[in-house]
Amino acid sequence: ETGVTQSPTHLIKTRGQQVTLRCSSQSGHNTVSWYQQALGQGPQFIFQYYREEENGRGNFPPRFSGLQFPNYSSELNVNALELDDSALYLCASSLPTGYEQYFGPGTRLTVT
Amino acid sequence: GDSVTQMEGPVTLSEEAFLTINCTYTATGYPSLFWYVQYPGEGLQLLLKATKADDKGSNKGFEATYRKETTSFHLEKGSVQVSDSAVYFCALSLNAGGTSYGKLTFGQGTILTVHP
Repeated sequence: ETGVTQSPTHLIKTRGQQVTLRCSSQSGHNTVSWYQQALGQGPQFIFQYYREEENGRGNFPPRFSGLQFPNYSSELNVNALELDDSALYLCASSLPTGYEQYFGPGTRLTVT
Repeated sequence: GDSVTQMEGPVTLSEEAFLTINCTYTATGYPSLFWYVQYPGEGLQLLLKATKADDKGSNKGFEATYRKETTSFHLEKGSVQVSDSAVYFCALSLNAGGTSYGKLTFGQGTILTVHP
């Protein structure tokens, strides 16, 4: 059974640029959630995708957007990057009716 | 809104010492409660969970009991090892309307360092 994978591992962007992060869910999981973890903080919920539709959103501006594909993989897109967007971005997948979320290793984004 | 508060850290212990990390929560419904662990440079791993009052979650020698009356879910281990050094996060999840939606709300994390 393959776990949750994320790509890339690290990337560096300049303020104002756009970035796309990718996530492949664990086999059999059709729900994907994205979290932002700033240094020294707990993860903050960005949004969740279920059956290719956004199924809940945290307190993040519209420049944070996402997609889920028929194979349940997902993308997180961030436009107009700001310095405060520098963080570890975590993807988590879960079973259709389960509460347990399984996390990927994360993508470390640095905005300069 | 829903929130989780963890004891302020960091926590430094000697090997074989007893560990307690306090966690309290505020929630509008009946949450499921979790402890996640994050090792350096890695993502989060589910350590244990409890889905209703008085449930005890346990894994790898760690335990936590869901206490509804005190809204707490304290993490304990009788004898810590150097390999337990990591950041520990308490979290809650509410299932809205029977759908799959159940965002996790995390505490700020507690850094545990265990010395030989």
